[in-house]
Amino acid sequence: AQSVAQPEDQVNVAEGNPLTVKCTYSVSGNPYLFWYVQYPNRGLQFLLKYITGDNLVKGSYGFEAEFNKSQTSFHLKKPSALVSDSALYFCAVRNTGSGGSYIPTFGRGTSLIVHP
Amino acid sequence: SQTIHQWPATLVQPVGSPLSLECTVEGTSNPNLYWYRQAAGRGLQLLFYSIGIDQISSEVPQNLSASRPQDRQFILSSKKLLLSDSGFYLCAWSPSNSYEQYFGPGTRLTVT
Repeated sequence: AQSVAQPEDQVNVAEGNPLTVKCTYSVSGNPYLFWYVQYPNRGLQFLLKYITGDNLVKGSYGFEAEFNKSQTSFHLKKPSALVSDSALYFCAVRNTGSGGSYIPTFGRGTSLIVHP
Repeated sequence: SQTIHQWPATLVQPVGSPLSLECTVEGTSNPNLYWYRQAAGRGLQLLFYSIGIDQISSEVPQNLSASRPQDRQFILSSKKLLLSDSGFYLCAWSPSNSYEQYFGPGTRLTVT
């Protein structure tokens, strides 16, 4: 079985400050990891993914995430937050198997609020 | 480029009425297709997924059904809606040889 935990329901940060949205995972074997963002009343947008290679992954809108195998974490980061980054962020994991195991598991989401 | 469409965008239906939500993908072939429901709050619940025409797997037993009559068309249906069917319904696709998913704009369903 695979699972994702986003331990914070909400993260508050001031504009211009660095932000971190936390994600830990559990999966058998090697993981594929993803971050998505959802603005109000919209579908989810893909931000970035870790498949293999460098542990630091860069994605859209200046976001990046660091894969840490020993801590089974994949935290989302941005050096300088913008008010427009305020949204709901989802972490997802799937294992590297085939067949039905390619279905990802999503976390419950973290609401990021960036204050002016 | 690939695009995904969902309609309608919003829907208000009485309890016991039927439902049909449609999702289509353009610019790709043989995509994996998914239906999710997002209840008030935030969590995503996977309802159905499909790896090909007439190949549909159900994740949660309920009064909903899905069909894939064409390669890039995915339909979510119900014969009789329940109040608990209210929510935000999202269709998604992923390339058969890739990993990430791409989501449609969603349908907001309110059952009254």
